[in-house]
Amino acid sequence: AQSVAQPEDQVNVAEGNPLTVKCTYSVSGNPYLFWYVQYPNRGLQFLLKYITGDNLVKGSYGFEAEFNKSQTSFHLKKPSALVSDSALYFCAVNAGNNRKLIWGLGTSLAVNP
Amino acid sequence: DVKVTQSSRYLVKRTGEKVFLECVQDMDHENMFWYRQDPGLGLRLIYFSYDVKMKEKGDIPEGYSVSREKKERFSLILESASTNQTSMYLCASSLEVSEQYFGPGTRLTVT
Repeated sequence: AQSVAQPEDQVNVAEGNPLTVKCTYSVSGNPYLFWYVQYPNRGLQFLLKYITGDNLVKGSYGFEAEFNKSQTSFHLKKPSALVSDSALYFCAVNAGNNRKLIWGLGTSLAVNP
Repeated sequence: DVKVTQSSRYLVKRTGEKVFLECVQDMDHENMFWYRQDPGLGLRLIYFSYDVKMKEKGDIPEGYSVSREKKERFSLILESASTNQTSMYLCASSLEVSEQYFGPGTRLTVT
């Protein structure tokens, strides 16, 4: 069965420190991978995607993610966290030509001043 | 920029009422989606549509129906609202197999 796992419900990091939000997936075929962010009482905003090419993808707000095919992972990273990065982060995947996305359950990121 | 709008941010309805949630997108996307979001359960797909008058069931279609008469508009209908349908409802649209763009959400409370 195709699935996405975000192994941490919550991540806490101090402002200015690097942050990582983890995502692993299990799909058949070549995956298309996505990260979204949700601020309180808002809809989801698209951050970045991996379709093909360079394994390191850069996105909005200084975020980047690294696709690792052997580990079936797509971890979200930022070199220096801001308090305003505190939000709920979702990883999603589809397997090539599928219009639907498979979603992780989300990781709550808290950046402490 | 893609814009997805939803008819209401907050809605309060009584048990048994018929409820309509409207979603409009302005980017000519062929795909549109309805999700509900509940704490600890992430996003669950209710229905999606890949063309006008076309629809497919998602993971939790029971108690819901949808309508897509025009490409830009996708409606979610709760035929007879129940308290377990109290939730945040999110609409999204996308082009082919690309990223989805979301509306601001409708927080529905059924009393």
